[in-house]
Amino acid sequence: AQSVTQLDSHVSVSEGTPVLLRCNYSSSYSPSLFWYVQHPNKGLQLLLKYTSAATLVKGINGFEAEFKKSETSFHLTKPSAHMSDAAEYFCVVSDAMNYGGATNKLIFGTGTLLAVQP
Amino acid sequence: ETGVTQSPTHLIKTRGQQVTLRCSSQSGHNTVSWYQQALGQGPQFIFQYYREEENGRGNFPPRFSGLQFPNYSSELNVNALELDDSALYLCASSLSGKETQYFGPGTRLLVL
Repeated sequence: AQSVTQLDSHVSVSEGTPVLLRCNYSSSYSPSLFWYVQHPNKGLQLLLKYTSAATLVKGINGFEAEFKKSETSFHLTKPSAHMSDAAEYFCVVSDAMNYGGATNKLIFGTGTLLAVQP
Repeated sequence: ETGVTQSPTHLIKTRGQQVTLRCSSQSGHNTVSWYQQALGQGPQFIFQYYREEENGRGNFPPRFSGLQFPNYSSELNVNALELDDSALYLCASSLSGKETQYFGPGTRLLVL
């Protein structure tokens, strides 16, 4: 079964400093992995996705993530945090459903709440 | 291109009642998935609809049911509401064969 584990429930950084949000995955095959962001009282926005092409994936708003098979990790990083980055971040793995013709379901981690201090 | 929309945005019901939530998929997307996000948790997969049929289901009881219409919009129905059904209900649309799902803003349901 597919699963993801987010290693930190809360991360606090100062504005202008780097961001690192950690995620490990468990998969019986080459996974498709995503990071989504959820701002307070909002829906989920896709930040980036990995689908077995380049291991370093660039997303929106300066975020990127690196797929490391040897470490089963997919950590999210950003060189310099901005106040607007304060939100909850979810690491997600796609799980194939054995039904014909449609897409997979998404399995979410428990989330990491990012606080950005001025 | 129109994104995923959901209605209503907020809803208050009492235990034992029934509720219907609605979702319009992004233009061109033919698959709709529903997720439940309890407070402080990650979203949990409820079920998915494709070609107007349920295409997969998570660990939710039968009182959670759904529909998909020919225009790909969808409804989530919950019967015999329980207090634990209080959550944010998220709808996501996608194109069959593609893994990326795009989410709506959600409907926040409070059961008293």
